[in-house]
Amino acid sequence: EAEVAQSPRYKITEKSQAVAFWCDPISGHATLYWYRQILGQGPELLVQFQDESVVDDSQLPKDRFSAERLKGVDSTLKIQPAELGDSAMYLCASSFRRNTEAFFGQGTRLTVV
Amino acid sequence: GESVGLHLPTLSVQEGDNSIINCAYSNSASDYFIWYKQESGKGPQFIIDIRSNMDKRQGQRVTVLLNKTVKHLSLQIAATQPGDSAVYFCAEPGGSYIPTFGRGTSLIVHP
Repeated sequence: EAEVAQSPRYKITEKSQAVAFWCDPISGHATLYWYRQILGQGPELLVQFQDESVVDDSQLPKDRFSAERLKGVDSTLKIQPAELGDSAMYLCASSFRRNTEAFFGQGTRLTVV
Repeated sequence: GESVGLHLPTLSVQEGDNSIINCAYSNSASDYFIWYKQESGKGPQFIIDIRSNMDKRQGQRVTVLLNKTVKHLSLQIAATQPGDSAVYFCAEPGGSYIPTFGRGTSLIVHP
């Protein structure tokens, strides 16, 4: 069964360091999402891509976060510098097209110390 | 503004009972809803979806009911099993086509 792949599964980093997460969506899925989920809350959208283009990054803290999907396939989310408040689960999801079900990866659990 | 919310943060049931998880939405123009199940330490897993031209949709042991009049939907799980223990989210893409999640309901199934 096709899955959204994310790596790493867990990441511990020190405050002010740079950290990056990688996502490989389900083959053929044009839409890709990055979400952040704080413990005990629902996922919150950070950025949405349609192919290689950013559709919505209004909730992305652009002073420290960046996301790219250069070839319209896999994607990288970067944080630099990391802050303690960035500790959360970072989830990637993909869908065949907009307004269809999104499938999620297992997430990357980030701990900033 | 648009919002998707859940009535109860925690639902405890006995194994074998039926579970009902509720969700309210505020955008009357919403035409598509998705239920996700999230187990501890994992990403949300798609369970079932429903479009606004339907009132009911059934899957394996799950049924989603949509009441557009009161902007409410529910997820019914029949014969709840311990493996059903998880947090359940309803998500509504809305006009932005971006799945927007509420807080979630934690379902606890007691053996």
